[in-house]
Amino acid sequence: NAGVMQNPRHLVRRRGQEARLRCSPMKGHSHVYWYRQLPEEGLKFMVYLQKENIIDESGMPKERFSAEFPKEGPSILRIQQVVRGDSAAYFCASSATGRTEAFFGQGTRLTVV
Amino acid sequence: EDQVTQSPEALRLQEGESSSLNCSYTVSGLRGLFWYRQDPGKGPEFLFTLYSAGEEKEKERLKATLTKKESFLHITAPKPEDSATYLCAVDMRFGAGTRLTVKP
Repeated sequence: NAGVMQNPRHLVRRRGQEARLRCSPMKGHSHVYWYRQLPEEGLKFMVYLQKENIIDESGMPKERFSAEFPKEGPSILRIQQVVRGDSAAYFCASSATGRTEAFFGQGTRLTVV
Repeated sequence: EDQVTQSPEALRLQEGESSSLNCSYTVSGLRGLFWYRQDPGKGPEFLFTLYSAGEEKEKERLKATLTKKESFLHITAPKPEDSATYLCAVDMRFGAGTRLTVKP
């Protein structure tokens, strides 16, 4: 039973480009959570999605960031017009039901140059 | 707004020296408190879920307990491989973590 899969593991983007981060939840999980972690800092909640629905996006920056979890395929975190401050590790987690124990992927490390 | 506060920020122990990590929370209607372990460069690893005051969970050298306002992660006779950052979460919001270092 594969765990949560995130890809790519490392992503380098130039300022102004778009970054697309993918997250495939564990089999049977329909709830996905995205977090951002800066070096030496904690996990900051960004968004909580269920299939085809955004449940809680209170942690998402108002501009340039969006997330989706379509009926088929992985969840996508999209960052438009990236800036250096977007450089961080982005983690996703999935759970079988809402707000219960969630299991994390290994993260995508985004570097904006 | 829900808040999760962990203390201490960092803890250095000698191998075999037991101690406790604290997680205090303010939330209306607790729907579970979660403990995770995170190693450098990796995603958090799930440890425990606690739902009600008085509940306890154990795994190897770790024991988690819950009261109405806080949770403790007790580490008994730690080993160097227990060195990691320990995170707690309420309603999918995480505290800043406690960075534990266990010296041989």
